[in-house]
Amino acid sequence: AQKITQTQPGMFVQEKEAVTLDCTYDTSDQSYGLFWYKQPSSGEMIFLIYQGSYDEQNATEGRYSLNFQKARKSANLVISASQLGDSAMYFCAMREVYMNTGFQKLVFGTGTRLLVSP
Amino acid sequence: ETGVTQSPTHLIKTRGQQVTLRCSSQSGHNTVSWYQQALGQGPQFIFQYYREEENGRGNFPPRFSGLQFPNYSSELNVNALELDDSALYLCASSLRGQGTGTQYFGPGTRLLVL
Repeated sequence: AQKITQTQPGMFVQEKEAVTLDCTYDTSDQSYGLFWYKQPSSGEMIFLIYQGSYDEQNATEGRYSLNFQKARKSANLVISASQLGDSAMYFCAMREVYMNTGFQKLVFGTGTRLLVSP
Repeated sequence: ETGVTQSPTHLIKTRGQQVTLRCSSQSGHNTVSWYQQALGQGPQFIFQYYREEENGRGNFPPRFSGLQFPNYSSELNVNALELDDSALYLCASSLRGQGTGTQYFGPGTRLLVL
């Protein structure tokens, strides 16, 4: 079974600084996908960024980038130029695929709470 | 493009009652997944519906059941509610068979069981 580990319960950063949220994963699959989601206090999970296991380049989406180190099984999220609105829970997730039925589910970590201060 | 919507937003029930939560998938998506998120934890997969059939299930008892309709909307039904069922229930839609299969979530339904 796949497992996602987020070891930082909380992170604190000042506005306009960069911050890295850690994520390590465990899988025996050769093909997999990694996702980061943001969850504000309202509860909705907002998709931020995706990295495929065969992607040669690290994924980037605006201020978000994913530092993908396959050999270390890590997929850290980097947020550049933090904004007050970035304060939220951040979840790393891996896609688990069941080849016999073709269905896919997400396995989530426990999340990291990011607080951005002025 | 319409995003994922869920109803109701909040719900209070008592132990032993039954509840139905509803989800409308994002336009063009054919797959719906349901997750339970207890306070302070990451979401846990309940089940997934594709072509109106359940085609994957997590470690949840049979009193958790669901439906998917021809328009790809979905329902989650929970019978014989227990206190531990209190959680945020998230619905996610995706397009199976194309692209990254990214799941897009709705705003969730907060269920409190007393």
